[in-house]
Amino acid sequence: NAGVTQTPKFQVLKTGQSMTLQCAQDMNHEYMSWYRQDPGMGLRLIHYSVGAGITDQGEVPNGYNVSRSTTEDFPLRLLSAAPSQTSVYFCASSRQGLVTGELFFGEGSRLTVL
Amino acid sequence: AQTVTQSQPEMSVQEAETVTLSCTYDTSENNYYLFWYKQPPSRQMILVIRQEAYKQQNATENRFSVNFQKAAKSFSLKISDSQLGDTAMYFCAFMNINQGGKLIFGQGTELSVKP
Repeated sequence: NAGVTQTPKFQVLKTGQSMTLQCAQDMNHEYMSWYRQDPGMGLRLIHYSVGAGITDQGEVPNGYNVSRSTTEDFPLRLLSAAPSQTSVYFCASSRQGLVTGELFFGEGSRLTVL
Repeated sequence: AQTVTQSQPEMSVQEAETVTLSCTYDTSENNYYLFWYKQPPSRQMILVIRQEAYKQQNATENRFSVNFQKAAKSFSLKISDSQLGDTAMYFCAFMNINQGGKLIFGQGTELSVKP
């Protein structure tokens, strides 16, 4: 019963390096999203997807790319990491039309950019 | 655009007592959900309670209850009989019912329950 799985849980990068945060869910959820958490600012939406092949920008999309080739996977790419991207990242999923509207979150990935 | 505001960055409460966390939001929408999420030191996001805007009755889940004031756009969380395990960061969140999967979070309130 995996739910939403994020990898890696911790990562240290140097400025300018690239990396991909992986997110997979096994609940056949249509909606998937990425948030970043910074002290005093709560969680802010980076990108989201309403289904395979469909993505859109959230509140803070700059510096991040996403794609959704399958229902299960929603990777987040940092093409050229910057210190401002040091944060904790959460992936979440939910079912379209679900009455409760509840999001299911991964355990988070702590990224440090030096 | 919707916004969510939590004006209490930190709160503390004695074990077994009651505490109320405040949340206000701004929206022009009529159909939406409101949530309280708990984030313990493990970092996991845990849903505490949910309120549908069309319901007048306040949601309750065991020791957790909300005071939902739609006209005032207020959504406070009351924790009764506080336990040490309630120590966590608490986030208030808003979701437009037509934008499933997109949550707008408040800044968070760090709650400490003291023995």
